[in-house]
Amino acid sequence: GAVVSQHPSWVICKSGTSVKIECRSLDFQATTMFWYRQFPKQSLMLMATSNEGSKATYEQGVEKDKFLINHASLTLSTLTVTSAHPEDSSFYICSAQEATTDTQYFGPGTRLTVL
Amino acid sequence: QKEVEQNSGPLSVPEGAIASLNCTYSDRGSQSFFWYRQYSGKSPELIMFIYSNGDKEDGRFTAQLNKASQYVSLLIRDSQPSDSATYLCAVWNTGNQFYFGTGTSLTVIP
Repeated sequence: GAVVSQHPSWVICKSGTSVKIECRSLDFQATTMFWYRQFPKQSLMLMATSNEGSKATYEQGVEKDKFLINHASLTLSTLTVTSAHPEDSSFYICSAQEATTDTQYFGPGTRLTVL
Repeated sequence: QKEVEQNSGPLSVPEGAIASLNCTYSDRGSQSFFWYRQYSGKSPELIMFIYSNGDKEDGRFTAQLNKASQYVSLLIRDSQPSDSATYLCAVWNTGNQFYFGTGTSLTVIP
């Protein structure tokens, strides 16, 4: 099956710093990638939809200036959490959509802890 | 009305039994349907997808789709404790939007 990687898998940072998370589709090209956030014992929450070569579409309530998304190639999307604060601590998961089946394949997630 | 609805559970079944997970969707024109499994603290993993009415089997898993009733289900035969997880139903609708249900928590009791 299709594989999606995320890096880093775990990051701890100080409040006020920025953190970049990479999402790569390893064996397929993904014109669309998605970024989710999940708090403990809660459902996945879609943050934004990212299309290669165009600006991301953010869900209501998600600050686009705080969560910067870049999808510069068909295999790479990045999420940068700018000026992170403790309330941004969460499990961030990306997914990539495989075009022939419309299937979303998920990365393993990045656990962010902001001190 | 939510795009995709699932019973949140929890659903408990004894080991070896059949677990039945259900999902309904609102967009009648939706064409693609997916089941994912998510273990606690992990990201979702694809179990299977289904496009056509009827049953699709993959090992111990069977997905059932009924477009007339806007209903998709997942059956897990010979349930194992390792099947204990949250199961997410997802739909790719006519608006080219991907919607997930909130998930059903399944516990298989040894």
